[in-house]
Amino acid sequence: QSVLTQPPSVSGAPGQRVSISCTGSSTNIGAGNDVHWYQQHPGTAPKLLIYGNNIRPSGVPDRFSGSKSGTSASLAISGLQAEDEADYYCQSYDSGLTRNHIFGPGTKVTVL
Amino acid sequence: VQLVQSGAELKKPGESLRISCKGSGRAFTSYWLAWVRQTPGKGLEWMGSIDPTDSDTKYSPTFRGQVTISVDNSITTAYLQWRSLKVSDSGIYYCARMGNYYALGVWGQGTTVTVSS
Repeated sequence: QSVLTQPPSVSGAPGQRVSISCTGSSTNIGAGNDVHWYQQHPGTAPKLLIYGNNIRPSGVPDRFSGSKSGTSASLAISGLQAEDEADYYCQSYDSGLTRNHIFGPGTKVTVL
Repeated sequence: VQLVQSGAELKKPGESLRISCKGSGRAFTSYWLAWVRQTPGKGLEWMGSIDPTDSDTKYSPTFRGQVTISVDNSITTAYLQWRSLKVSDSGIYYCARMGNYYALGVWGQGTTVTVSS
């Protein structure tokens, strides 16, 4: 069971906005540790989408945005496109007993 | 910047294995490198990371003692090594470069390891 929780799936029609939550605790997200988001298409390596909670790397469309509040973070995709259909993972650091980088279980985004 | 990993491996339980991750570009020693495992049952798991400048290595508690991470700067290559593989070591292994805010900004293409008798 992951220390970070994400919904297994979200879906939306083209052009719509969807949001993916990443819920942690006081030892990871709530401790002020940064949250990063990755996109993974089938058969390919994950790709960094958002780092430092809300910063987009060069080349990532501004349809993708990240936010963080308390012990949770969110990834929003606006103007959903067919190519956005993929798995999305959040990642942070746990400052508790394990002191380790951690990933969420992933959320499958389906474009209807 | 690119990370190119070695090819897929099919091994038997108890065998040893070393997979590699070759970095291109002069910035190889400027960033920590991490290894991440992906399996259908456990998703993405951070295994550990290494600083190429001095080989300082940090392991996830789950993988400490189970694998060895190393680097050879002369050929800009990082390694992930097992002494005795188990069936449960099967998965896709990614190397990735830790960049801003320690996010994994550059990923290798992945190496599939299958351990089966």
